[in-house]
Amino acid sequence: AQSVTQLGSHVSVSEGALVLLRCNYSSSVPPYLFWYVQYPNQGLQLLLKYTTGATLVKGINGFEAEFKKSETSFHLTKPSAHMSDAAEYFCAVSGSGGYQKVTFGTGTKLQVIP
Amino acid sequence: DAGITQSPRHKVTETGTPVTLRCHQTENHRYMYWYRQDPGHGLRLIHYSYGVKDTDKGEVSDGYSVSRSKTEDFLLTLESATSSQTSVYFCATLTEYSGNTIYFGEGSWLTVV
Repeated sequence: AQSVTQLGSHVSVSEGALVLLRCNYSSSVPPYLFWYVQYPNQGLQLLLKYTTGATLVKGINGFEAEFKKSETSFHLTKPSAHMSDAAEYFCAVSGSGGYQKVTFGTGTKLQVIP
Repeated sequence: DAGITQSPRHKVTETGTPVTLRCHQTENHRYMYWYRQDPGHGLRLIHYSYGVKDTDKGEVSDGYSVSRSKTEDFLLTLESATSSQTSVYFCATLTEYSGNTIYFGEGSWLTVV
């Protein structure tokens, strides 16, 4: 079985501050890990993904995430928040049961305060 | 962009009526999925398909059925809609190249009154 836990359903940061969204996973096999972003009334858009290789992954819009096997974590960061980053972010994992089965976390809504 | 089109995008229907949502993809992907999104639950898998006429249940399949008669089309049917099925429904496909990545459609907002 596999699962994803996103710590904090709502996160608020000031514009220009560090963004840190937390994701912990469980998987019985080496996981593939993903972050998606969802803007209001839209579908989910892939931000970045980890499959194999380099554990620090860079994505779109200045986001990056680091796969830490020992901590079973895949936290999403951005050095400086912008107003346009306000959205909901979903962490996801695949692996257990096949890499075609993707399990999503419950999401974290990011608010950016001017 | 995986070329996924969902229809209808918005629908209001009455309790007890059948409803069908359509997903169309242009990328010839083998895997297709239907998820529902509800506050506090994230995305939950309803059904998925791994080929024409090959489908399987997800974690919240009760009250839903699916069909896939062509690679490009994946239909989700609510046989008799209930208020608990008011939700946003997302279709997705998976590219098996470069890391088995899921791509989503724009969503279908369904309200059952």
